Amino acid sequence: DQQVKQNSPSLSVQEGRISILNCDYTNSMFDYFLWYKKYPAEGPTFLISISSIKDKNEDGRFTVFLNKSAKHLSLHIVPSQPGDSAVYFCAASRDSSYKLIFGSGTRLLVRP
Amino acid sequence: ETGVTQTPRHLVMGMTNKKSLKCEQHLGHNAMYWYKQSAKKPLELMFVYNFKEQTENNSVPSRFSPECPNSSHLFLHLHTLQPEDSALYLCASSQDNRGNTEAFFGQGTRLTVV
Repeated sequence: DQQVKQNSPSLSVQEGRISILNCDYTNSMFDYFLWYKKYPAEGPTFLISISSIKDKNEDGRFTVFLNKSAKHLSLHIVPSQPGDSAVYFCAASRDSSYKLIFGSGTRLLVRP
Repeated sequence: ETGVTQTPRHLVMGMTNKKSLKCEQHLGHNAMYWYKQSAKKPLELMFVYNFKEQTENNSVPSRFSPECPNSSHLFLHLHTLQPEDSALYLCASSQDNRGNTEAFFGQGTRLTVV
């Protein structure tokens, strides 16, 4: 059973608008969450993270929101740019563990 | 060179072949990982090495055999694979195997077993 789920396999957004990528998890012991971005023919690259003691973390155009009661996190990209088109993976870990559990990814397309 | 480098980028092998995947990191990290990404599936952790010692084997079949001669190099030896082992194999490294640090990934080896 998948502990980290990204239920939307794809998302299409107009350039300049907001992109919202969602991620749900089932294990309440997860205490650290990360987003990775992956371009074709490249490995995933770290984007932004959040600890369970926070509910929001912002880095430039990227903001991650964590709702622990709903076991839900989201990544907001605003404004979206065509170069943001990639697959985005949500990942989680527990007890300060190195073991990252990944979601299956959401493919984002930002249309010019 | 910087970052995490994997070779080869693409590999086609028969079920009776023996091949090896190589990973090298130039980040001074102490932990290295092998992940597998199959089509439309999440990234799956296979093996973890911390300071050259294997600390995790995530129920991986013995036809996959990792080797970590030093903190900068990681190999994945393959033998008698099955077609369902075809996937993208990703190497990653992190400062150490404690939590709350991000992992840096290589570009992956696209493996096809015929």
